[in-house]
Amino acid sequence: EIVMTQSPATLSVSPGERVTLSCRASLSVITNLAWYQQKPGQAPRLLIYGTSTRATGIPARFSGSGSGTEFTLTISSLQSEDFAVYYCQQYNNSPPSFGGGAKVEIK
Amino acid sequence: EVQLVESGGNLAQPGTSLRLSCVASGFTFDEYAMHWVRQAPGKGLEWVSTISWNSRYIAYADSVRGRFTISRDNAKNSLHLLMNSLRTEDTALYYCARDVGTSGWSGYFDSWGQGTLVTVSS
Repeated sequence: EIVMTQSPATLSVSPGERVTLSCRASLSVITNLAWYQQKPGQAPRLLIYGTSTRATGIPARFSGSGSGTEFTLTISSLQSEDFAVYYCQQYNNSPPSFGGGAKVEIK
Repeated sequence: EVQLVESGGNLAQPGTSLRLSCVASGFTFDEYAMHWVRQAPGKGLEWVSTISWNSRYIAYADSVRGRFTISRDNAKNSLHLLMNSLRTEDTALYYCARDVGTSGWSGYFDSWGQGTLVTVSS
C-alpha cells in the first residue's frame, strides 16, 4: 500500500494569506493525485484531481502541482470559507490511500 | 443533483453484524463504480471497499477483507455493505462515495453522502 504523508498537520493562517500544503507519496503515483476539503460536520468535497485539474465549481484560487512523489495544494488568497481540513489521496495503485490530513485554522 | 443517502448505522456489539445501505439519485447509478470510505471519530479518511458498475470487480481494504461484503442493486439504485464480525476498530462514520469514472473505475470520488455512524462497543 502506498503511504501518503501530509505536512504540516496544522497551519495557522490569516485570511488573505497564501497557503501551501504538501503531500508526499511513498512510491510514485505519477499524477494520479486528488485533493479533498472537509469542513466540520460535512462530507469531504473533491477539489482537485489529476494533480492539477479543479473539480466542477472549485474557485481558481485553488491550484495543485507536482508529480511522482511530491505534490502541493496552493490556496492563493485564503477566504473565510477555506478554513477546513484538506486531504490528499492517491489513486494510481490499489488500494487508494489518503494522507492524514492538514488542518488550516484561523490565526 | 447527485444525492447519496446512507442508512443502517447503529450501535453494535463486537462480533455482531450490521448492514449499511446507500440510496442514490440524480444520476444514472448503473454507470458508475461506487465505494465505501470510513472515518473514525476525529481521524482521517480510510477507503473500505469498491464495486464496479456491473459488480464484476470488487475490492476491499486489508482491514475488512473476509468480514465485509459490498454489493449493489442497480434496479433499486442502491449500494450495500454487510459488515460481519465487527470489531471496536470498525467504529466510524461510513460514507458512500461515487467514483468519478463512467467506465471501469478511476479510484477517486466526486460525490459523497453525509455518512452513517457505526459504533462497535460492548
